[in-house]
Amino acid sequence: GQQLNQSPQSMFIQEGEDVSMNCTSSSIFNTWLWYKQDPGEGPVLLIALYKAGELTSNGRLTAQFGITRKDSFLNISASIPSDVGIYFCAGSNNAGNMLTFGGGTRLMVKP
Amino acid sequence: DAGITQSPRHKVTETGTPVTLRCHQTENHRYMYWYRQDPGHGLRLIHYSYGVKDTDKGEVSDGYSVSRSKTEDFLLTLESATSSQTSVYFCAISNNYEQYFGPGTRLTVT
Repeated sequence: GQQLNQSPQSMFIQEGEDVSMNCTSSSIFNTWLWYKQDPGEGPVLLIALYKAGELTSNGRLTAQFGITRKDSFLNISASIPSDVGIYFCAGSNNAGNMLTFGGGTRLMVKP
Repeated sequence: DAGITQSPRHKVTETGTPVTLRCHQTENHRYMYWYRQDPGHGLRLIHYSYGVKDTDKGEVSDGYSVSRSKTEDFLLTLESATSSQTSVYFCAISNNYEQYFGPGTRLTVT
């Protein structure tokens, strides 16, 4: 099946630092989504991207839909302790509204 | 937050017993999904529904069945639970590609 490679798998950063993570695929996707999951809870949708090259922000979060349609990036500026969690990318190629998920990036922030 | 609830939130059961997990939505979304989340495997699709009585298999459907008799409810059944089905189960809903997740059910099969 389709695979999404998400990196890095984990990050331990200092509060105030900027964070970057990305997802790559061997297949083209028409939609990219980014989710955050807090411990013991379900993933929460952060940003949805629908056009190649699209750059979308949500507060301190910025995500980009790669021009090749095979990758996406998420940046978090000026990290704070509540940014701690697991971030997942997900892609869709329009097949029955299915999503393929990346393996997640675990973010830890040191105050 | 989307109106999605899952019940039970936690369950411990014995191998060989049947188990049914319930997902309930108040958003009138057409699509509903069941995922399982395991360390090292991320989120994997078990079954999904694209309308009342319309369901299809996902990536890891063996040992699971589903039913959707009305828009708001999507049931996941383990006919005879096995230890490999110990996991956290998430329901999700959508009307397009944006899926919204429930709080999860932690199932332990002993």
